[in-house]
Amino acid sequence: DAKTTQPPSMDCAEGRAANLPCNHSTISGNEYVYWYRQIHSQGPQYIIHGLKNNETNEMASLIITEDRKSSTLILPHATLRDTAVYYCIVRVRGDDKIIFGKGTRLHILP
Amino acid sequence: DAGVIQSPRHEVTEMGQEVTLRCKPISGHNSLFWYRQTMMRGLELLIYFNNNVPIDDSGMPEDRFSAKMPNASFSTLKIQPSEPRDSAVYFCASSLWWTGDHYGYTFGSGTRLTVV
Repeated sequence: DAKTTQPPSMDCAEGRAANLPCNHSTISGNEYVYWYRQIHSQGPQYIIHGLKNNETNEMASLIITEDRKSSTLILPHATLRDTAVYYCIVRVRGDDKIIFGKGTRLHILP
Repeated sequence: DAGVIQSPRHEVTEMGQEVTLRCKPISGHNSLFWYRQTMMRGLELLIYFNNNVPIDDSGMPEDRFSAKMPNASFSTLKIQPSEPRDSAVYFCASSLWWTGDHYGYTFGSGTRLTVV
């Protein structure tokens, strides 16, 4: 059963911030939110993860709502190379396997 | 580090033949995962290993599929006999067992298998 809900596709103009939503209304207190992306013909790539605090790294920012029922991945200045399928995943700490859903196909428009 | 290395990149074989896919994980990683990706079913976890021991093989579709990890630097996924419905991209990934400073899986480039 899918633990997350994501829109199937989104568009974003190049240079703009891309905001990808994810709903995880049944998340448990010990579950982390992970984001991966898959560029065409490549293996998935880890982006970021968080528990309840907002997180930022060189690739993206992760904003998690206070009730932890949803989150947003932000790519601050989208480029054409960010065109990919983005997967939002919840995962229990200590559980080493990741189950991928269908993700959001992000199109960056020139 | 060269990352997770998979071979071959492409494999075309006839139905009924044995196929062996290979994976070399990142040095120092102690978990290894095999995934299969198709348009219809997306990314499916087939099996994973911790410290060379198979932990969960519930995703292996049937007895025709088998996976081994004889040492920390090598794993194989074998299909015998192969069938056209096995055509897919097979990904291998590795990671460090959960430590709290987990930075996710690193995936290989995949093996595109076509069974004709």
